[in-house]
Amino acid sequence: GQQLNQSPQSMFIQEGEDVSMNCTSSSIFNTWLWYKQDPGEGPVLLIALYKAGELTSNGRLTAQFGITRKDSFLNISASIPSDVGIYFCAGPPTSYNAGNMLTFGGGTRLMVKP
Amino acid sequence: DTGVSQDPRHKITKRGQNVTFRCDPISEHNRLYWYRQTLGQGPEFLTYFQNEAQLEKSRLLSDRFSAERPKGSFSTLEIQRTEQGDSAMYLCASSLTGASPLHFGNGTRLTVT
Repeated sequence: GQQLNQSPQSMFIQEGEDVSMNCTSSSIFNTWLWYKQDPGEGPVLLIALYKAGELTSNGRLTAQFGITRKDSFLNISASIPSDVGIYFCAGPPTSYNAGNMLTFGGGTRLMVKP
Repeated sequence: DTGVSQDPRHKITKRGQNVTFRCDPISEHNRLYWYRQTLGQGPEFLTYFQNEAQLEKSRLLSDRFSAERPKGSFSTLEIQRTEQGDSAMYLCASSLTGASPLHFGNGTRLTVT
C-alpha cells in the first residue's frame, strides 16, 4: 500500500523561529492533508491541498502540494508555545474513490521552547 | 456542532476479555470511520460506514474485531479475546460526505494487560 514518510521525526525549536517539515511518498497522491494532534486528543485538520503546485495558507501555516504529487511541505512561521504537538500529513489512496480512508505519515513532533 | 464523542476515554482490560467502544458522530454526518493509532505512529484506517452500511474494512481488522452502526447514527467497535497487541488509541471520525473534511473524536485509549 501507499506509505507516507515524514521528516524530521521531531524538532525542538525556540519560540519565534520558523519551522519547516515535509512528507514524501513513493506513489502519487491527488490530495494532501495536514493535521495537528495535541496530547490526548484526536487529529485536527489544518490545511487541505487538492492540486499539484498549490500553495495554501491558514494563519501562520503555509502548505504546498509538490509538483511531482509525491510530496508536500508545511511551514509554520513565528512559532508560539501552542504550536507544540504532532503534525501529520495524510492522503487518500488514488487507486479508487477512497474518500476519507486516509493513509497517515508517522508524524513530526514539534516542541517549542519559550 | 457538539463534535465527535467517544466513550470510554480509557479502558484497561485483561488479555482475553471482550471490550466495546462507542462513537457518536456529528449528527448530520453520513460517514463514520474507525482508525487505530499506536504509540509514536500515525492513525491507521480500520473501517467505515455510510449510514448503516459498512462499506470497507482494512486487512488490519481481524476477525476478532467487529463494528456496527445499526441505525446509521452511533457506532460500536467490539474487540473479542483481546491481545496485548490490541493496546492502542481507537479513533472515531465522521464526515458529511466522502469528500468533506474528517472530524475526529478524542479517542478511546485501550490498554490490555
